[in-house]
Amino acid sequence: KAGVTQTPRYLIKTRGQQVTLSCSPISGHRSVSWYQQTPGQGLQFLFEYFSETQRNKGNFPGRFSGRQFSNSRSEMNVSTLELGDSALYLCASSLDRAKNIQYFGAGTRLSVL
Amino acid sequence: AQKVTQAQTEISVVEKEDVTLDCVYETRDTTYYLFWYKQPPSGELVFLIRRNSFDEQNEISGRYSWNFQKSTSSFNFTITASQVVDSAVYFCALSEAKSGANNLFFGTGTRLTVIP
Repeated sequence: KAGVTQTPRYLIKTRGQQVTLSCSPISGHRSVSWYQQTPGQGLQFLFEYFSETQRNKGNFPGRFSGRQFSNSRSEMNVSTLELGDSALYLCASSLDRAKNIQYFGAGTRLSVL
Repeated sequence: AQKVTQAQTEISVVEKEDVTLDCVYETRDTTYYLFWYKQPPSGELVFLIRRNSFDEQNEISGRYSWNFQKSTSSFNFTITASQVVDSAVYFCALSEAKSGANNLFFGTGTRLTVIP
């Protein structure tokens, strides 16, 4: 069974641009969560999607958004990039909201110049 | 508020030594889950174990064992006879039923280096 797939693996953007990251969950998994990892703030929860609806949201500004498609694939978007958005963005999937063992992808490393 | 503390920032051991990684948590929820994840240099977080708040049984899986003690709010992880492949950053995490079981609050991680 394929694991969680995140694309692209690396991205370089400049301040003010926007970016879209993609996540394909493990087949059959319906819940997708996103996390940001930085040296300063560590691992922080961004949001969770289930059945194409955002179910939970962390403490991030509205520039961070996401969506989930009917096949459970998810995208997250960051608009008006800031230098501080440079981070490893990790996507995790779980079977559903009750069976909450999350399996993570390898992440997308975003660098904002 | 919820919080996970991993006081050990870095640990170095010589191969075959045993090592214990500490994790202390805070939560007001009565139903919660505790996790350990391993992050090798590749960056992917690898799931190791989940425990719910009603199951205090210790667990052993090969060279890995976990000690969950609600009385001290701790969920410690021991690696027996460490190997070089165990070198990684290890994260303890907590989720609460009330704030979302899939919303993980992570500790700051412990970087383990196993020296051959």
